[in-house]
Amino acid sequence: DTGVSQDPRHKITKRGQNVTFRCDPISEHNRLYWYRQTLGQGPEFLTYFQNEAQLEKSRLLSDRFSAERPKGSFSTLEIQRTEQGDSAMYLCASSSDSPLHFGNGTRLTVT
Amino acid sequence: DQQVKQNSPSLSVQEGRISILNCDYTNSMFDYFLWYKKYPAEGPTFLISISSIKDKNEDGRFTVFLNKSAKHLSLHIVPSQPGDSAVYFCAASAFQSGYALNFGKGTSLLVTP
Repeated sequence: DTGVSQDPRHKITKRGQNVTFRCDPISEHNRLYWYRQTLGQGPEFLTYFQNEAQLEKSRLLSDRFSAERPKGSFSTLEIQRTEQGDSAMYLCASSSDSPLHFGNGTRLTVT
Repeated sequence: DQQVKQNSPSLSVQEGRISILNCDYTNSMFDYFLWYKKYPAEGPTFLISISSIKDKNEDGRFTVFLNKSAKHLSLHIVPSQPGDSAVYFCAASAFQSGYALNFGKGTSLLVTP
């Protein structure tokens, strides 16, 4: 069990640029979740996959946000036309059954 | 809307004493409750959980109590140790939502020697 891996750990980008984050879940886990955490708040659910199917995406923050899990293994989260309000920690988690195991996140700073 | 609430942003306890962290929820569909612990620059780490069919679950120094009628749960840590100093998040989920977790804002626990 190597844990949930997220890449990059930190990303600084200019407003208006697109960014993509990668998550590699624990290998035997079929569910994968994306969360966002801002300062002083708990993680906020964005979307989740069961294998390659995205079963919930209504909580994605806007149509600038999209996620994929093409082969049911790793996942990517893309933010298009970034805004300063997108600055946050983006967390990925995986599970085969509860509880969720989280990665250490990608910290995004939009300047 | 915040469906899971942790009303104490911080708590300070002496080493060896009991730490009690509280959590309230509003959604009666929640059927699984968890506590996570988070250190700076790391993701949340699972600590302990409880199903809605139980009212207590123990794991070593950690006990979670669930009061469904009050929609309230608490985490007891006894005895508290300096290494327990971290932010603790309460989370709740429902089967219908694929067990996506709804988190509270967290309580920062400081255990002093």
